[in-house]
Amino acid sequence: NAGVTQTPKFRILKIGQSMTLQCAQDMNHNYMYWYRQDPGMGLKLIYYSVGAGITDKGEVPNGYNVSRSTTEDFPLRLELAAPSQTSVYFCASSYRGGPTDTQYFGPGTRLTVL
Amino acid sequence: AQSVAQPEDQVNVAEGNPLTVKCTYSVSGNPYLFWYVQYPNRGLQFLLKYITGDNLVKGSYGFEAEFNKSQTSFHLKKPSALVSDSALYFCAVRDPMYSGGGADGLTFGKGTHLIIQP
Repeated sequence: NAGVTQTPKFRILKIGQSMTLQCAQDMNHNYMYWYRQDPGMGLKLIYYSVGAGITDKGEVPNGYNVSRSTTEDFPLRLELAAPSQTSVYFCASSYRGGPTDTQYFGPGTRLTVL
Repeated sequence: AQSVAQPEDQVNVAEGNPLTVKCTYSVSGNPYLFWYVQYPNRGLQFLLKYITGDNLVKGSYGFEAEFNKSQTSFHLKKPSALVSDSALYFCAVRDPMYSGGGADGLTFGKGTHLIIQP
């Protein structure tokens, strides 16, 4: 199993540009998550999905959109990039999303907005 | 609301010595607690979790953590540190009673840099 994969690994955007961060998992997990990691701030939940076709907002959803057309894929869309979105983005997945379930993380995408 | 605190930004330990990375939490119910490790330019890797039962939880790479309900702590420990243990460590909590913030999302601490000196 590849686990959770993310592309690209690095990206530099100009203010106002848009892009999609890709995330895929091959563990047949129902739940998928997007987090951002800012220096010294830990991880903040952006969006999550409990299954194909179902998504919901996390703690910091503004400026982002998601979709979940398949169980495997959970892309994150930035429509109008802003410097405040400079961060490291992690995708994660878990089997049922139950409170005792472990989340498994991808390697991350480092995004810089200039 | 649930929260977790890692009071130390950095912990320095000599190789071969025991190490402790501190974590305290705040929840309204019984907590589910997790430790993750992040190596440079890598994603978070799961180390161990406490759900219920024995207060001493054993995990990957020789790490263990002790759940202390009275002190609301979940400190990460290892009897003998290795240079390869140098990384960023995150404590996370999930309150089963928590209904905000998305699904049953984890709340993460800010992370502690663990530096093992040869």
